[in-house]
Amino acid sequence: KAGVTQTPRYLIKTRGQQVTLSCSPISGHRSVSWYQQTPGQGLQFLFEYFSETQRNKGNFPGRFSGRQFSNSRSEMNVSTLELGDSALYLCASSLGENSPLHFGNGTRLTVT
Amino acid sequence: QKEVEQNSGPLSVPEGAIASLNCTYSDRGSQSFFWYRQYSGKSPELIMSIYSNGDKEDGRFTAQLNKASQYVSLLIRDSQPSDSATYLCAVNKGDSSYKLIFGSGTRLLVRP
Repeated sequence: KAGVTQTPRYLIKTRGQQVTLSCSPISGHRSVSWYQQTPGQGLQFLFEYFSETQRNKGNFPGRFSGRQFSNSRSEMNVSTLELGDSALYLCASSLGENSPLHFGNGTRLTVT
Repeated sequence: QKEVEQNSGPLSVPEGAIASLNCTYSDRGSQSFFWYRQYSGKSPELIMSIYSNGDKEDGRFTAQLNKASQYVSLLIRDSQPSDSATYLCAVNKGDSSYKLIFGSGTRLLVRP
């Protein structure tokens, strides 16, 4: 069974630009979560989607948004990029509540 | 107080020894507990899941959960240099918030 697939693997953007990251979950997994990982803050929860509905959102500004499609694939968007948005963005899928998350390889975003 | 706390380490053990990693959490209603391993530059990989008090063994790994004391631990027997990584504790709050809260991780170094 294929794992969680994230694209692209690396991105370099300039301040003020916007970026869209993509995630395809494990087949059969309807829950998709997004995390930001930085050396100083560790893994920070961004949001979680299930059946195209955002069920929970972390403490991030409105510049961070996401969506989930009917095939469970998900995208997250960051607008008006700031230097502090440089991080590893991880997508994870699961079967649902109380189930473990399975992570993709991540997208490393660098904002210059 | 952080929701999930881990000693950042590094925890240094000789090859063949038992490595003991600890994690405490603040929400008494938490129901699901997970250990992830993350190698430098890679994404987190699920090692163990534990849901009820007591021990759960899988190969060289044993997870221990004590809900009354609000801690969960991971024992790695016969530690190998390849076990050198950061170990992340993750807790599901169990309040239908649909998110895992991660500790900041403990860095483990296994000396040959």
